Amino acid sequence: GAVVSQHPSWVICKSGTSVKIECRSLDFQATTMFWYRQFPKQSLMLMATSNEGSKATYEQGVEKDKFLINHASLTLSTLTVTSAHPEDSSFYICSARSTGGRETQYFGPGTRLLVL
Amino acid sequence: RKEVEQDPGPFNVPEGATVAFNCTYSNSASQSFFWYRQDCRKEPKLLMSVYSSGNEDGRFTAQLNRASQYISLLIRDSKLSDSATYLCVVNMGNYGQNFVFGPGTRLSVLP
Repeated sequence: GAVVSQHPSWVICKSGTSVKIECRSLDFQATTMFWYRQFPKQSLMLMATSNEGSKATYEQGVEKDKFLINHASLTLSTLTVTSAHPEDSSFYICSARSTGGRETQYFGPGTRLLVL
Repeated sequence: RKEVEQDPGPFNVPEGATVAFNCTYSNSASQSFFWYRQDCRKEPKLLMSVYSSGNEDGRFTAQLNRASQYISLLIRDSKLSDSATYLCVVNMGNYGQNFVFGPGTRLSVLP
Protein backbone atom coordinates (compact mmCIF):
# COMPACT_ATOMS: atom_id res chain seq x y z
CA GLY A 1 0.00 0.00 0.00
CA ALA A 2 0.89 3.65 -0.22
CA VAL A 3 3.25 5.14 2.36
CA VAL A 4 2.49 8.22 4.41
CA SER A 5 4.93 9.62 6.94
CA GLN A 6 4.45 12.04 9.79
CA HIS A 7 6.93 14.07 11.74
CA PRO A 8 7.46 14.34 14.60
CA SER A 9 6.07 11.21 16.19
CA TRP A 10 6.15 12.68 19.70
CA VAL A 11 5.93 16.23 20.96
CA ILE A 12 5.99 17.44 24.54
CA CYS A 13 5.69 21.18 24.90
CA LYS A 14 4.74 23.92 27.30
CA SER A 15 1.36 25.57 27.22
CA GLY A 16 1.31 28.48 24.79
CA THR A 17 3.77 26.93 22.37
CA SER A 18 2.93 26.41 18.72
CA VAL A 19 3.56 22.96 17.33
CA LYS A 20 3.97 22.06 13.66
CA ILE A 21 3.27 18.55 12.37
CA GLU A 22 4.24 17.44 8.88
CA CYS A 23 2.50 14.83 6.78
CA ARG A 24 4.13 13.50 3.63
CA SER A 25 3.00 11.07 0.99
CA LEU A 26 6.18 9.24 0.07
CA ASP A 27 5.36 7.31 -3.06
CA PHE A 28 2.38 9.06 -4.55
CA GLN A 29 0.96 12.51 -5.05
CA ALA A 30 -1.91 13.50 -2.83
CA THR A 31 -4.07 16.40 -3.83
CA THR A 32 -6.15 15.79 -0.75
CA MET A 33 -4.97 14.96 2.74
CA PHE A 34 -6.95 14.69 5.92
CA TRP A 35 -6.18 15.55 9.52
CA TYR A 36 -7.74 13.56 12.33
CA ARG A 37 -7.55 13.72 16.07
CA GLN A 38 -8.07 10.83 18.43
CA PHE A 39 -8.50 11.13 22.17
CA PRO A 40 -7.87 8.09 24.38
CA LYS A 41 -10.41 5.32 23.90
CA GLN A 42 -12.31 7.35 21.34
CA SER A 43 -12.66 7.06 17.60
CA LEU A 44 -10.89 9.15 15.04
CA MET A 45 -12.52 12.49 14.44
CA LEU A 46 -11.92 14.34 11.20
CA MET A 47 -10.63 17.83 11.87
CA ALA A 48 -10.11 19.16 8.37
CA THR A 49 -9.56 18.30 4.75
CA SER A 50 -6.39 19.72 3.30
CA ASN A 51 -6.46 20.58 -0.39
CA GLU A 52 -3.30 21.23 -2.35
CA GLY A 53 -3.13 24.83 -3.47
CA SER A 54 -6.30 25.96 -1.73
CA LYS A 55 -7.72 26.57 1.70
CA ALA A 56 -8.47 23.69 4.00
CA THR A 57 -12.03 22.71 4.79
CA TYR A 58 -12.63 22.51 8.52
CA GLU A 59 -15.18 20.35 10.29
CA GLN A 60 -17.75 21.96 12.51
CA GLY A 61 -16.33 22.91 15.87
CA VAL A 62 -12.70 22.97 14.73
CA GLU A 63 -11.13 26.43 14.96
CA LYS A 64 -9.32 27.26 11.76
CA ASP A 65 -7.24 29.95 13.44
CA LYS A 66 -6.02 27.52 16.05
CA PHE A 67 -5.29 24.62 13.73
CA LEU A 68 -3.51 26.08 10.73
CA ILE A 69 -3.23 23.84 7.72
CA ASN A 70 -0.96 24.37 4.76
CA HIS A 71 -0.86 22.05 1.75
CA ALA A 72 1.80 23.68 -0.34
CA SER A 73 2.77 20.72 -2.49
CA LEU A 74 1.34 17.46 -3.73
CA THR A 75 3.30 15.50 -1.15
CA LEU A 76 3.25 17.68 1.95
CA SER A 77 0.60 19.01 4.29
CA THR A 78 1.34 20.65 7.62
CA LEU A 79 -0.82 21.17 10.69
CA THR A 80 0.20 23.85 13.15
CA VAL A 81 -1.42 23.83 16.57
CA THR A 82 -1.10 27.43 17.65
CA SER A 83 -0.80 28.40 21.31
CA ALA A 84 -1.31 24.83 22.40
CA HIS A 85 -3.05 24.12 25.70
CA PRO A 86 -3.30 20.93 27.73
CA GLU A 87 -6.72 20.15 26.24
CA ASP A 88 -5.04 19.97 22.82
CA SER A 89 -3.07 16.95 23.99
CA SER A 90 -4.10 14.17 21.67
CA PHE A 91 -3.05 11.77 18.93
CA TYR A 92 -3.01 13.61 15.60
CA ILE A 93 -3.11 11.46 12.49
CA CYS A 94 -2.98 12.49 8.88
CA SER A 95 -4.07 10.49 5.90
CA ALA A 96 -3.72 10.87 2.18
CA ARG A 97 -6.23 9.88 -0.41
CA SER A 98 -5.04 7.32 -2.89
CA THR A 99 -6.74 7.42 -6.23
CA GLY A 100 -5.13 4.32 -7.68
CA GLY A 101 -7.70 1.58 -8.07
CA ARG A 102 -10.31 1.70 -5.35
CA GLU A 103 -10.45 4.95 -3.46
CA THR A 104 -9.11 4.64 0.03
CA GLN A 105 -7.06 6.51 2.58
CA TYR A 106 -3.63 5.64 3.91
CA PHE A 107 -2.66 6.89 7.32
CA GLY A 108 0.52 8.32 8.68
CA PRO A 109 1.90 6.84 11.91
CA GLY A 110 0.46 9.68 13.96
CA THR A 111 1.90 12.33 16.24
CA ARG A 112 1.35 12.25 19.98
CA LEU A 113 1.12 15.73 21.40
CA LEU A 114 1.39 16.35 25.12
CA VAL A 115 0.97 19.91 26.28
CA LEU A 116 2.07 20.55 29.83
CA ARG B 1 -28.39 8.24 15.57
CA LYS B 2 -24.65 8.03 14.93
CA GLU B 3 -23.54 7.83 11.33
CA VAL B 4 -21.60 4.61 11.83
CA GLU B 5 -22.26 2.27 14.72
CA GLN B 6 -20.45 -0.88 15.75
CA ASP B 7 -20.72 -3.62 18.35
CA PRO B 8 -19.56 -2.04 21.60
CA GLY B 9 -17.17 -4.82 22.59
CA PRO B 10 -14.72 -5.71 23.88
CA PHE B 11 -14.64 -9.21 22.50
CA ASN B 12 -12.44 -11.66 24.40
CA VAL B 13 -12.07 -14.92 22.53
CA PRO B 14 -9.71 -17.93 22.71
CA GLU B 15 -7.23 -18.65 19.97
CA GLY B 16 -8.84 -20.49 17.10
CA ALA B 17 -12.27 -19.04 17.68
CA THR B 18 -14.41 -17.47 15.01
CA VAL B 19 -15.55 -13.94 15.74
CA ALA B 20 -17.92 -11.64 13.89
CA PHE B 21 -18.16 -7.87 14.03
CA ASN B 22 -21.20 -5.91 12.96
CA CYS B 23 -21.51 -2.38 11.71
CA THR B 24 -24.45 -0.27 10.58
CA TYR B 25 -24.43 3.05 8.78
CA SER B 26 -27.07 5.72 8.47
CA ASN B 27 -26.50 7.21 5.03
CA SER B 28 -28.04 5.07 2.32
CA ALA B 29 -26.07 6.98 -0.32
CA SER B 30 -22.74 5.86 1.10
CA GLN B 31 -20.26 5.02 -1.59
CA SER B 32 -17.74 2.56 -0.27
CA PHE B 33 -16.90 0.62 2.82
CA PHE B 34 -13.78 -0.56 4.58
CA TRP B 35 -12.51 -2.35 7.62
CA TYR B 36 -9.42 -0.93 9.27
CA ARG B 37 -7.56 -2.29 12.25
CA GLN B 38 -5.87 -0.13 14.81
CA ASP B 39 -3.33 -1.44 17.25
CA CYS B 40 -2.88 0.28 20.57
CA ARG B 41 -1.24 3.69 20.15
CA LYS B 42 -0.79 3.19 16.42
CA GLU B 43 -2.44 4.54 13.30
CA PRO B 44 -5.29 2.67 11.57
CA LYS B 45 -4.25 0.32 8.82
CA LEU B 46 -6.48 -0.83 6.00
CA LEU B 47 -7.54 -4.41 6.54
CA MET B 48 -9.84 -4.83 3.60
CA SER B 49 -12.36 -3.09 1.41
CA VAL B 50 -15.90 -4.38 1.46
CA TYR B 51 -17.50 -5.18 -1.87
CA SER B 52 -21.17 -5.60 -2.59
CA SER B 53 -20.75 -9.25 -3.46
CA GLY B 54 -18.81 -9.95 -0.29
CA ASN B 55 -15.13 -10.70 -0.29
CA GLU B 56 -12.64 -12.90 1.46
CA ASP B 57 -8.97 -12.47 2.25
CA GLY B 58 -7.53 -15.51 3.96
CA ARG B 59 -9.18 -15.86 7.35
CA PHE B 60 -11.12 -12.62 6.94
CA THR B 61 -14.51 -12.33 5.24
CA ALA B 62 -16.35 -9.07 4.75
CA GLN B 63 -19.96 -8.70 3.72
CA LEU B 64 -22.16 -5.79 2.80
CA ASN B 65 -25.92 -5.56 2.82
CA ARG B 66 -26.92 -2.26 1.26
CA ALA B 67 -30.62 -2.79 1.83
CA SER B 68 -30.08 -3.15 5.56
CA GLN B 69 -27.14 -0.72 5.61
CA TYR B 70 -25.11 -3.33 7.38
CA ILE B 71 -21.49 -4.47 7.12
CA SER B 72 -19.84 -7.42 8.78
CA LEU B 73 -16.38 -8.79 9.31
CA LEU B 74 -15.78 -12.43 10.13
CA ILE B 75 -12.45 -13.65 11.43
CA ARG B 76 -11.89 -17.39 11.40
CA ASP B 77 -9.25 -19.31 13.35
CA SER B 78 -8.32 -16.18 15.28
CA LYS B 79 -4.67 -15.61 16.21
CA LEU B 80 -3.12 -13.74 19.10
CA SER B 81 -1.90 -11.21 16.55
CA ASP B 82 -5.49 -10.41 15.59
CA SER B 83 -5.90 -8.57 18.90
CA ALA B 84 -6.65 -4.97 17.95
CA THR B 85 -9.50 -2.53 17.54
CA TYR B 86 -11.46 -3.03 14.34
CA LEU B 87 -12.86 0.10 12.74
CA CYS B 88 -15.75 0.13 10.34
CA VAL B 89 -15.26 2.97 7.88
CA VAL B 90 -17.84 4.33 5.49
CA ASN B 91 -17.18 6.74 2.68
CA MET B 92 -20.27 8.88 2.65
CA GLY B 93 -19.10 11.18 -0.10
CA ASN B 94 -17.41 11.12 -3.41
CA TYR B 95 -13.72 10.43 -3.97
CA GLY B 96 -12.82 9.78 -0.36
CA GLN B 97 -13.94 13.19 0.78
CA ASN B 98 -15.99 11.96 3.67
CA PHE B 99 -14.67 8.94 5.48
CA VAL B 100 -16.64 8.37 8.66
CA PHE B 101 -15.18 6.08 11.27
CA GLY B 102 -17.15 3.90 13.59
CA PRO B 103 -16.17 3.87 17.26
CA GLY B 104 -14.37 0.57 16.82
CA THR B 105 -14.71 -2.83 18.41
CA ARG B 106 -11.84 -4.08 20.47
CA LEU B 107 -10.81 -7.71 20.10
CA SER B 108 -8.57 -9.59 22.49
CA VAL B 109 -7.55 -13.08 21.43
CA LEU B 110 -6.48 -15.05 24.46
CA PRO B 111 -4.00 -17.97 24.56
